[in-house]
Amino acid sequence: GQQLNQSPQSMFIQEGEDVSMNCTSSSIFNTWLWYKQDPGEGPVLLIALYKAGELTSNGRLTAQFGITRKDSFLNISASIPSDVGIYFCAGSETSGSRLTFGEGTQLTVNP
Amino acid sequence: DGGITQSPKYLFRKEGQNVTLSCEQNLNHDAMYWYRQDPGQGLRLIYYSQIVNDFQKGDIAEGYSVSREKKESFPLTVTSAQKNPTAFYLCASSLRTGYTDTQYFGPGTRLTVL
Repeated sequence: GQQLNQSPQSMFIQEGEDVSMNCTSSSIFNTWLWYKQDPGEGPVLLIALYKAGELTSNGRLTAQFGITRKDSFLNISASIPSDVGIYFCAGSETSGSRLTFGEGTQLTVNP
Repeated sequence: DGGITQSPKYLFRKEGQNVTLSCEQNLNHDAMYWYRQDPGQGLRLIYYSQIVNDFQKGDIAEGYSVSREKKESFPLTVTSAQKNPTAFYLCASSLRTGYTDTQYFGPGTRLTVL
């Protein structure tokens, strides 16, 4: 199946710093989702985006659905140690189609 | 409260044995999915089901089998034909709407073949 290009693969930051990661696709998507996975657990949905240009926040997290519909961005402001984990993007081309997942961004936050 | 449960959390099996992983949801979701995750990698789709008594192969279905006899349940059997079964297995479900199919995940089962 198709893969999304998610970057960066890993990030090492200091507590309090802002974080930015993104996903790009060669296809046009109509849904973008962002998940966080803690070690040994299932991914938890953070933000869902359904319209091009949409900007949605969830606490310190903000995600955007790119205007071209081929990319999405996730920003985390003022990072804290519990932000540590793997962040996945996922998208679908049409309603009812399968989700395509990025390979994840491993985030490490140093206190 | 509503959610997706997977059992057991950890599973060990001997080479050559079949093993069945359980996935149950009480969210009244129509669609259910099984993914495999290997260390440092993303999620790969094994099988999915959009309705009871119907399911489709994903990208890596070889060596696996599923059934969907009830809306709430979607068990996955890892057969002895699966060459490299040690992995973290994730079940997900989604409420089929005409707009999007946002998936929600269970806690996962870690399978180790000895």
